[in-house]
Amino acid sequence: DAGVIQSPRHEVTEMGQEVTLRCKPISGHNSLFWYRQTMMRGLELLIYFNNNVPIDDSGMPEDRFSAKMPNASFSTLKIQPSEPRDSAVYFCASSTRSSYNSPLHFGNGTRLTVT
Amino acid sequence: QKEVEQNSGPLSVPEGAIASLNCTYSDRVSQSFFWYRQYSGKSPELIMSIYSNGDKEDGRFTAQLNKASQYVSLLIRDSQPSDSATYLCAVTQGAQKLVFGQGTRLTINP
Repeated sequence: DAGVIQSPRHEVTEMGQEVTLRCKPISGHNSLFWYRQTMMRGLELLIYFNNNVPIDDSGMPEDRFSAKMPNASFSTLKIQPSEPRDSAVYFCASSTRSSYNSPLHFGNGTRLTVT
Repeated sequence: QKEVEQNSGPLSVPEGAIASLNCTYSDRVSQSFFWYRQYSGKSPELIMSIYSNGDKEDGRFTAQLNKASQYVSLLIRDSQPSDSATYLCAVTQGAQKLVFGQGTRLTINP
């Protein structure tokens, strides 16, 4: 089991640039979640997918953020244009099925710094 | 009121003692409750889950749930320095959405 794989591990970019974060969920998991973690706000759910379909994107901060899941093994989170307040650690997580008692398995995260 | 509330700490406990971590939640219909541990610079990892009222034990860890009081706790017996980490309480909202508390930073002093 390779676990949830995220790339890149670190991203430093300038304000106004486009940023794309990538995630490969655990094989066989049909739910995928994007979280953002900061000291001030803790771990916030941005969006989640079931069977590649976005279910709840109410946590996406604004239109600058978008997420896609073109197939069961890949998802992206894009920020365009990026701003310094987007600096955070972004985690992707997956779970086995769409039920209330499925725990999440987290990737190692992408640390984003926007200068 | 925050959806999931935890005392941010830091909580300092001597080695070998019991560490007690607490969490309250606002959504009365929540069904699933989890405790995650997060070491500095690492991702959260699941350590306990609990779904019904009462206690659930796993090794040195005991999770306690009281749905009437909307309260979840985690006890760590015989605390070790390796238990020093941030502990995140997570509660389901609706079918699958998992909401996290801010986390409690725990330090075990040798």
